[in-house]
Amino acid sequence: GESVGLHLPTLSVQEGDNSIINCAYSNSASDYFIWYKQESGKGPQFIIDIRSNMDKRQGQRVTVLLNKTVKHLSLQIAATQPGDSAVYFCAETPNDYKLSFGAGTTVTVRA
Amino acid sequence: DAGITQSPRHKVTETGTPVTLRCHQTENHRYMYWYRQDPGHGLRLIHYSYGVKDTDKGEVSDGYSVSRSKTEDFLLTLESATSSQTSVYFCAITDPGANVLTFGAGSRLTVL
Repeated sequence: GESVGLHLPTLSVQEGDNSIINCAYSNSASDYFIWYKQESGKGPQFIIDIRSNMDKRQGQRVTVLLNKTVKHLSLQIAATQPGDSAVYFCAETPNDYKLSFGAGTTVTVRA
Repeated sequence: DAGITQSPRHKVTETGTPVTLRCHQTENHRYMYWYRQDPGHGLRLIHYSYGVKDTDKGEVSDGYSVSRSKTEDFLLTLESATSSQTSVYFCAITDPGANVLTFGAGSRLTVL
């Protein structure tokens, strides 16, 4: 069946470096994508979103890129900080308010 | 967590016992969801509600039931808990047109 997935389950990054987290999706009907961050013991928190009519969106220190041709989504975090250590999920919705989540990437920031 | 309260936050129970998890919101959002989170699976949708007494099944609904008698409360019931239902359960809310879900802090359930 169609699903959303992340390429790598873990990512280790040096503090100050940029992080890139990747996600592949297969539901061509999805028109909205979201990145969530989940810290230990907490619920997922919204980071940034993007609609299918866009290919890039920037927030504070984060950028989401969408490549609809290859059904690929990425989250870039600039100047990664210790507080960025968390599990990151991408999610998609085919416009019915039911998000479908990937398995998540655990980001560990090295001091 | 944006006006969402889950209770209990932690529960240990035995196989075969009934369990009810509660999600309470103060945001007056119409849509409410229950997800479970397991290692390697991300978050999977159990049940959802688009309004009072309007509920439907998600992708992993077997063994679970829900009720929504008031806008602010969404209950998840395990009629007879099994070890495979050991998980962390998250409630989420949103409104029509908003798309982004806001999640509660989670309820960790252990079934022995």
